[in-house]
Amino acid sequence: GAGVSQTPSNKVTEKGKYVELRCDPISGHTALYWYRQSLGQGPEFLIYFQGTGAADDSGLPNDRFFAVRPEGSVSTLKIQRTERGDSAVYLCASSRGGDTQYFGPGTRLTVL
Amino acid sequence: GESVGLHLPTLSVQEGDNSIINCAYSNSASDYFIWYKQESGKGPQFIIDIRSNMDKRQGQRVTVLLNKTVKHLSLQIAATQPGDSAVYFCAEKGRGSQGNLIFGKGTKLSVKP
Repeated sequence: GAGVSQTPSNKVTEKGKYVELRCDPISGHTALYWYRQSLGQGPEFLIYFQGTGAADDSGLPNDRFFAVRPEGSVSTLKIQRTERGDSAVYLCASSRGGDTQYFGPGTRLTVL
Repeated sequence: GESVGLHLPTLSVQEGDNSIINCAYSNSASDYFIWYKQESGKGPQFIIDIRSNMDKRQGQRVTVLLNKTVKHLSLQIAATQPGDSAVYFCAEKGRGSQGNLIFGKGTKLSVKP
């Protein structure tokens, strides 16, 4: 079956620009998570959706980061006024509502 | 505070040998632990998980051991193959947490043919 998909796979942008990263979870999974992974590190939690609502956004680093999941399926992570420090791999995961989270391939964001 | 770490950043084993990857956690309230395998350029791939009411769980060629007394988690891979070469992460989820996992830095496993 289809796993979690993320688009684009790579995104290069300039400092100060706005970017959107998309996540398509596994069909039927109600929970969706965004993580950020820097080189040589483990993923760090950003935000968690249960259905359409953000159940926990405590991992978002600042108000330049925002995520939505309007219909309880696809989610978009939005980053305003990008900074070089935002460069990382952004990972999306989904789960059926239990504990096991299944990850997508990630979007590699590079801010020049 | 909550943290998950690994004892060894790199591990090199001979093909066919057994591998043991270790992980320490600090939050005694964590009730769920999971191991992921991550190959270069890919997302983390689920390997095996275990709840705090168990101390051992087996999968295909993999076994996870949980020692709550010393807050230690290990992943054992039997008959390690070149395809097992990757970075392995352990992660924990605290009891009652909203659902996010807390990851360690990872152990890079290299399998020598």
